[in-house]
Amino acid sequence: EDQVTQSPEALRLQEGESSSLNCSYTVSGLRGLFWYRQDPGKGPEFLFTLYSAGEEKEKERLKATLTKKESFLHITAPKPEDSATYLCAAVKAAGNKLTFGGGTRVLVKP
Amino acid sequence: ETGVTQTPRHLVMGMTNKKSLKCEQHLGHNAMYWYKQSAKKPLELMFVYSLEERVENNSVPSRFSPECPNSSHLFLHLHTLQPEDSALYLCASSGTWYRTDTQYFGPGTRLTVL
Repeated sequence: EDQVTQSPEALRLQEGESSSLNCSYTVSGLRGLFWYRQDPGKGPEFLFTLYSAGEEKEKERLKATLTKKESFLHITAPKPEDSATYLCAAVKAAGNKLTFGGGTRVLVKP
Repeated sequence: ETGVTQTPRHLVMGMTNKKSLKCEQHLGHNAMYWYKQSAKKPLELMFVYSLEERVENNSVPSRFSPECPNSSHLFLHLHTLQPEDSALYLCASSGTWYRTDTQYFGPGTRLTVL
């Protein structure tokens, strides 16, 4: 059965304290791995798509990486405005069906 | 309006009511999706439409009835709901259903069933 698992469930950081979020997947025939950011009461906002192992993408303080079994979202020197829930989702072959993980709630304190 | 919009943003309904959620995308996309987001559970795909044809139904109870009159609009008709149906309902769209493609989400409708 296809599964996407995110850890930790919650993360409290001091401003400037870098950390990494993990997304492990057991999806046969992975076609893409997506990262989204979700603020309370809002819809997920697209961050990155990774297509193959070894790929990396960056946006401001965020960097996403992909291996054959997991993806990491690295947050470098976070600021309070980086506080949000970060979701990862996998797409397998045939169709554009996203299987989501449970998310990691990140709180960055000033 | 830009992106994906949803109305209403909040909805409270009784178990015997009938209501509808509306989604509109302004991105020129061909695929539209309904998701359910409950507390402590991952986002769950409910329905997918590609060019107004339903292509995915994830074993959703018949009290949820989707409608896609054109590629820009998507509705979710609700009737005889249960309290456990209370959740955030999210609409998304993508350029196509038939290949890996970024899905863009609306702000959601917060539904409370009394």
